[in-house]
Amino acid sequence: DQQVKQNSPSLSVQEGRISILNCDYTNSMFDYFLWYKKYPAEGPTFLISISSIKDKNEDGRFTVFLNKSAKHLSLHIVPSQPGDSAVYFCAAGAPNFGNEKLTFGTGTRLTIIP
Amino acid sequence: DTEVTQTPKHLVMGMTNKKSLKCEQHMGHRAMYWYKQKAKKPPELMFVYSYEKLSINESVPSRFSPECPNSSLLNLHLHALQPEDSALYLCASSQDNRGTQYFGPGTRLTVL
Repeated sequence: DQQVKQNSPSLSVQEGRISILNCDYTNSMFDYFLWYKKYPAEGPTFLISISSIKDKNEDGRFTVFLNKSAKHLSLHIVPSQPGDSAVYFCAAGAPNFGNEKLTFGTGTRLTIIP
Repeated sequence: DTEVTQTPKHLVMGMTNKKSLKCEQHMGHRAMYWYKQKAKKPPELMFVYSYEKLSINESVPSRFSPECPNSSLLNLHLHALQPEDSALYLCASSQDNRGTQYFGPGTRLTVL
């Protein structure tokens, strides 16, 4: 049972435009969400997180939006840069429910076209 | 500083070998994690140590044996592995079991 889903395995975006990566979840106990970026043969790099008490969190070019009623979150990258080409994983956890385990989505490969 | 280091970067071992993977962090984090990642798949949690005690074991086979000698170090002892255990092994740490997890670069393990 895939509790965190990233339905787009890949996405191509022109440099300078906005990249929007989507993530859906099914477990209503999740209350903390993160986005990680991963280059091949490297560990995931933490990008940005959001807790369920917020609906938006912004850090530089990265903004995460959370729609709790739809159980949906998205990562916006603007403007997109060639170095943003990587696989992006969303992850969800329920730390306030005593569960430190993160559940990861299957990833979206983002390619920025120069 | 959010650095987690892992050694070795690459490891090739036979099915009868015994080897260990090492992970270190100096951020004062009190929770440490081992994940396994196969190609084109998300990371899968194996073990969690919280305040140097094993708090989660995701039904991992006994040929994988974790050890947390102190709050900065995490080892994964490997013995009698199978070729299907070949994967990228990732270590992560967080301030406590509620914090953001920061990952190391991983050890690429190949079992022959």
